[in-house]
Amino acid sequence: EAQVTQNPRYLITVTGKKLTVTCSQNMNHEYMSWYRQDPGLGLRQIYYSMNVEVTDKGDVPEGYKVSRKEKRNFPLILESPSPNQTSLYFCASSFDPPWLGGTETQYFGPGTRLLVL
Amino acid sequence: GESVGLHLPTLSVQEGDNSIINCAYSNSASDYFIWYKQESGKGPQFIIDIRSNMDKRQGQRVTVLLNKTVKHLSLQIAATQPGDSAVYFCAEISGNTPLVFGKGTRLSVIA
Repeated sequence: EAQVTQNPRYLITVTGKKLTVTCSQNMNHEYMSWYRQDPGLGLRQIYYSMNVEVTDKGDVPEGYKVSRKEKRNFPLILESPSPNQTSLYFCASSFDPPWLGGTETQYFGPGTRLLVL
Repeated sequence: GESVGLHLPTLSVQEGDNSIINCAYSNSASDYFIWYKQESGKGPQFIIDIRSNMDKRQGQRVTVLLNKTVKHLSLQIAATQPGDSAVYFCAEISGNTPLVFGKGTRLSVIA
């Protein structure tokens, strides 16, 4: 089954304690991205990756890091989480980037709900 | 930067009626628009898209209309069903830029 998986699905942590949210896709997609979803603000892109070892900042990259060492995995790293990073996070993947029509093949993961105390 | 917005945050319709969800965008350079559906506890799901060189596109039970003159986008759902209950987002792209999402409209279908 084609899917994007995220782990963990729920996480409560404390300020400053480094954490990683994993994202994995089994569709051999080249384009992957991370979004955060906040009430009243919709989805905002954090980082995206065009392919292995190619990553770029989205609209709200501050406080986040990513890596793309393998095509299937795109982890999101919070080196020193803060309460303003409490949010619902989605990973997504597609064959092509959205501006090349990739949205029709785009899959979103189930989301990771993060609470930073 | 410019943003994508929605006219109505909530919409309730009777089962079997048609639904119309609206979206206003402000970036006149946007050339590609997408509608997503997000069910409770799930990630967004692609519904339909439209390029700026079109003003209408139809899918299965859904139609997207684009009015570039007034920078308005709408999603029409025919014969709305309980399974259509969800939050609907429009998103726009300008050139080679990432998606910019609207805030969403919640559609509730009354049986």
